[in-house]
Amino acid sequence: ETGVTQTPRHLVMGMTNKKSLKCEQHLGHNAMYWYKQSAKKPLELMFVYNFKEQTENNSVPSRFSPECPNSSHLFLHLHTLQPEDSALYLCASSQLGGPVTDTQYFGPGTRLTVL
Amino acid sequence: SQKIEQNSEALNIQEGKTATLTCNYTNYSPAYLQWYRQDPGRGPVFLLLIRENEKEKRKERLKVTFDTTLKQSLFHITASQPADSATYLCALSGAGSYQLTFGKGTKLSVIP
Repeated sequence: ETGVTQTPRHLVMGMTNKKSLKCEQHLGHNAMYWYKQSAKKPLELMFVYNFKEQTENNSVPSRFSPECPNSSHLFLHLHTLQPEDSALYLCASSQLGGPVTDTQYFGPGTRLTVL
Repeated sequence: SQKIEQNSEALNIQEGKTATLTCNYTNYSPAYLQWYRQDPGRGPVFLLLIRENEKEKRKERLKVTFDTTLKQSLFHITASQPADSATYLCALSGAGSYQLTFGKGTKLSVIP
């Protein structure tokens, strides 16, 4: 596998379910990100991990819980979601301190539908 | 508050013409400006990065300009092809920050 992979690609869940999104990067990067993309809105940064340490949590509700066990893997644990949480969830990675600063590499996303 | 505007939500052009997309920003002093392409149901793909002290960057049929006085970037695709049809996103980051702030994007349709 190359680049950034995300599983599952599609997820339908009820408001009382608990599920997890998984992201894996095969680029040797040291930073990983979760974004939410809703229709007609710009990408919203949710969480940032730098060398496995969470450095940003942009006022995200506690029903979203990230986990970064190592610099290659990132999870987003979901529980008690609301219908307005339905969106495309994108994972990205980047190499901090590299020659092309801030360029991010995105996965294909997980299309989440909350019923 | 910081604001990034991509002026056109959608842009239709004829194949072979040059497409020009605009990104304006306010209350921001970006160190870098990037353009990404996003196809439906896919993640954005990086195209070009331009630094605050650069006026212009080129890559094959793509050209980006960056005017920090006007607070504007223009993204050009010359000799456009139907395969260029996608949504194009502008993204900014400040000095010392690795976080990107994205615009809403412009959906480009190249008509054969």
